[in-house]
Amino acid sequence: SQQGEEDPQALSIQEGENATMNCSYKTSINNLQWYRQNSGRGLVHLILIRSNEREKHSGRLRVTLDTSKKSSSLLITASRAADTASYFCATDAIGRDDKIIFGKGTRLHILP
Amino acid sequence: EPEVTQTPSHQVTQMGQEVILRCVPISNHLYFYWYRQILGQKVEFLVSFYNNEISEKSEIFDDQFSVERPDGSNFTLKIRSTKLEDSAMYFCASSALAGGGEAFFGQGTRLTVV
Repeated sequence: SQQGEEDPQALSIQEGENATMNCSYKTSINNLQWYRQNSGRGLVHLILIRSNEREKHSGRLRVTLDTSKKSSSLLITASRAADTASYFCATDAIGRDDKIIFGKGTRLHILP
Repeated sequence: EPEVTQTPSHQVTQMGQEVILRCVPISNHLYFYWYRQILGQKVEFLVSFYNNEISEKSEIFDDQFSVERPDGSNFTLKIRSTKLEDSAMYFCASSALAGGGEAFFGQGTRLTVV
């Protein structure tokens, strides 16, 4: 299976702290994407990192990719209450790039 | 900002009935997808569609399901003879490129089969 698997499954931190979520996958990929989902709502695209990239920033988000370990991390700095959501990594495998597979997600809860 | 639009936002149907979930992808996108998410579970790939045909489908996407792009703008998912276990959020997505670009998701249709 080519699924991404996030850890931890759930994470609670104080507002203002940094949150780090990890994702591992099994097969070689073209890209890895991170999405956010607020409870019961749609998926919002956060960031895409290509297999030849190692790190990418977008605002308070920092994503790293280690293709040798088949893993990625999403760092949210200076967390806010509005960051409370589920975060999913999604990958597409080389040669099967019209199928994006999601991990199970990390539920992030920011405590006031 | 362009967005993927799904209708209806919530659909309740009797078991055994057919439902059609509708999506309007972003206009210049070429690749279209349906995903579902059973409550509390992960997002599951159903099908991808390109050049007016299915390019890939999962084991979930059996003969009960079909997709269509009837008029060049809408992208529909038909579920025949619905079952209780079809209750889920169904997400449509589109992307300009397969594998090379972001997939943009709609807000989803919550399907409840009673």
